[in-house]
Amino acid sequence: DQQVKQNSPSLSVQEGRISILNCDYTNSMFDYFLWYKKYPAEGPTFLISISSIKDKNEDGRFTVFLNKSAKHLSLHIVPSQPGDSAVYFCAASTTQGAQKLVFGQGTRLTINP
Amino acid sequence: ETGVTQSPTHLIKTRGQQVTLRCSSQSGHNTVSWYQQALGQGPQFIFQYYREEENGRGNFPPRFSGLQFPNYSSELNVNALELDDSALYLCASSPQGASYNEQFFGPGTRLTVL
Repeated sequence: DQQVKQNSPSLSVQEGRISILNCDYTNSMFDYFLWYKKYPAEGPTFLISISSIKDKNEDGRFTVFLNKSAKHLSLHIVPSQPGDSAVYFCAASTTQGAQKLVFGQGTRLTINP
Repeated sequence: ETGVTQSPTHLIKTRGQQVTLRCSSQSGHNTVSWYQQALGQGPQFIFQYYREEENGRGNFPPRFSGLQFPNYSSELNVNALELDDSALYLCASSPQGASYNEQFFGPGTRLTVL
């Protein structure tokens, strides 16, 4: 049972344009959501997060949007840069109990010059 | 500030053997979690340790066990290795009690079971 899903295995975007990565979840108990970025041979690196009490969080070029009624979140990267090419993982958790992260399968983002 | 470190980087074992993977937490972090990442998949939660006690476990059999030491470093032990245990094993640390669930990951140990 995949509680967090990223339905696009890959995404290709032109440099300077907007990249939009999507994520859906099924568990209503999730109240905190995170995006991680992963380069080859490295561990995932935290990018940005959002609490379920908000619908938007912005940090520089990165913005995460949360639609609780649709159980959907998205990560927007504007403008996209070649260094953004990586695998992006969406993760969800509950703030109660163990800090267990439930990850999606990942989306490979390629930024073309 | 030292980040999360893991050893070894790569490991090759045969089916039925036992393996121990090691992790040093980021300075000031007292909670350690372990994840298994199979090829093409997202990381899957194995278990978490806080104050040397298991503080949550995912859907993994008992042959996956762990330890946390007083200095917050940790070990993951896997007995009776199976071919499907081949994966990247990630350790993550975090400060307990924080109002956020951000975890900081190490580079991982790539385990191959033949």
